[in-house]
Amino acid sequence: EAGVAQSPRYKIIEKRQSVAFWCNPISGHATLYWYQQILGQGPKLLIQFQNNGVVDDSQLPKDRFSAERLKGVDSTLKIQPAKLEDSAVYLCASSLDHGLGYTFGSGTRLTVV
Amino acid sequence: KQEVTQIPAALSVPEGENLVLNCSFTDSAIYNLQWFRQDPGKGLTSLLLIQSSQREQTSGRLNASLDKSSGRSTLYIAASQPGDSATYLCAGHDQGGSEKLVFGKGTKLTVNP
Repeated sequence: EAGVAQSPRYKIIEKRQSVAFWCNPISGHATLYWYQQILGQGPKLLIQFQNNGVVDDSQLPKDRFSAERLKGVDSTLKIQPAKLEDSAVYLCASSLDHGLGYTFGSGTRLTVV
Repeated sequence: KQEVTQIPAALSVPEGENLVLNCSFTDSAIYNLQWFRQDPGKGLTSLLLIQSSQREQTSGRLNASLDKSSGRSTLYIAASQPGDSATYLCAGHDQGGSEKLVFGKGTKLTVNP
């Protein structure tokens, strides 16, 4: 079974630039999540999609972060403009109903300089 | 608001030792609890999921228990091996059917040959 695919693996940008991350979840997983993991911390949920609808985006900094999941499959997360404190690993995950089969991708490591 | 704490932050043991990692949470209405493993530069791998009606789960040398009344979970690793070296994260699913995971900061385990 193919896992959750994410790209790119690494990205270095200057502050105030924009960046986008891509995620392809496991086939058949209706729920997709974006988590932010700052060094030394546990992951924190940014946004959760059920099919192509947003379930929870309460911790998404909406002035600079945006995400979409067109057609209920792939998703993109965008940051514009980036700040130094956005340096983190951005993890995408997907699951079946009720959180079963939670599977994480390898993440995108973002460094903002 | 659910908060998850993991103790200790780091642990170093000799190969072959049995060990226990601890996780505590503030909201006893936690739905499910999950233990993950994270290797450096990698995503999260699910180890054990304890569903709300269960008290423990076992997989190979790993055993996880959940005590909602005391707000605690433990991960027991038997006969530790150098390959077990990684960061172990526990995460609770919020009550109410939310599939959002609230993570602790993790315990970094080093098993010395």
